Amino acid sequence: NAGVTQTPKFQVLKTGQSMTLQCAQDMNHEYMSWYRQDPGMGLRLIHYSVGAGITDQGEVPNGYNVSRSTTEDFPLRLLSAAPSQTSVYFCASSLGLAGPSMNTEAFFGQGTRLTVV
Amino acid sequence: AQTVTQSQPEMSVQEAETVTLSCTYDTSESDYYLFWYKQPPSRQMILVIRQEAYKQQNATENRFSVNFQKAAKSFSLKISDSQLGDAAMYFCAYRSPIMKTSYDKVIFGPGTSLSVIP
Repeated sequence: NAGVTQTPKFQVLKTGQSMTLQCAQDMNHEYMSWYRQDPGMGLRLIHYSVGAGITDQGEVPNGYNVSRSTTEDFPLRLLSAAPSQTSVYFCASSLGLAGPSMNTEAFFGQGTRLTVV
Repeated sequence: AQTVTQSQPEMSVQEAETVTLSCTYDTSESDYYLFWYKQPPSRQMILVIRQEAYKQQNATENRFSVNFQKAAKSFSLKISDSQLGDAAMYFCAYRSPIMKTSYDKVIFGPGTSLSVIP
């Protein structure tokens, strides 16, 4: 009963390094998304996907890339890490909606605390 | 674009008392979903309660209830009989039910940090 698995939990990068945050879900959810959480700003949407092969930008996409080759996986790539990307990152998944549904909430991974020095 | 506002960055409540957390949102849609999430120090995001905009009845989950005022675009969370384990960050969130690539997003407010005083 894994739900949303997010790795790693902690990471320290040097400025200019690249890395990929992994996210996988086993609930056959169509909708997956990446958020960053910063103090006083809540969760801000970076990128999201409504299905395999479909991605779109959220509120703060600059410096990040995503792809969705399978329903299960939605990795987030930092191309060239900057100190401004120091944050806690959350991956979330949920059912896509074609109409009213009770199962509308997002399920979250445990988060990745990323520090860029 | 939809926005979610939580005007109380921090709140405190005495154990066993009742506290209300405020949330307002802005949308031009008539159908949508609203949520309250709890984030304890463990960092895990936990769903507390959900409300469908087409339902007039306020949602209730044990000690948690909402006051949904659709015309005012207000969605407050009431916690009754507060317990020490309720201490956490609380986020209000909005989701459109329309499955379009540009609309199907979950938008979060900035959060309210709740302290429970023994």
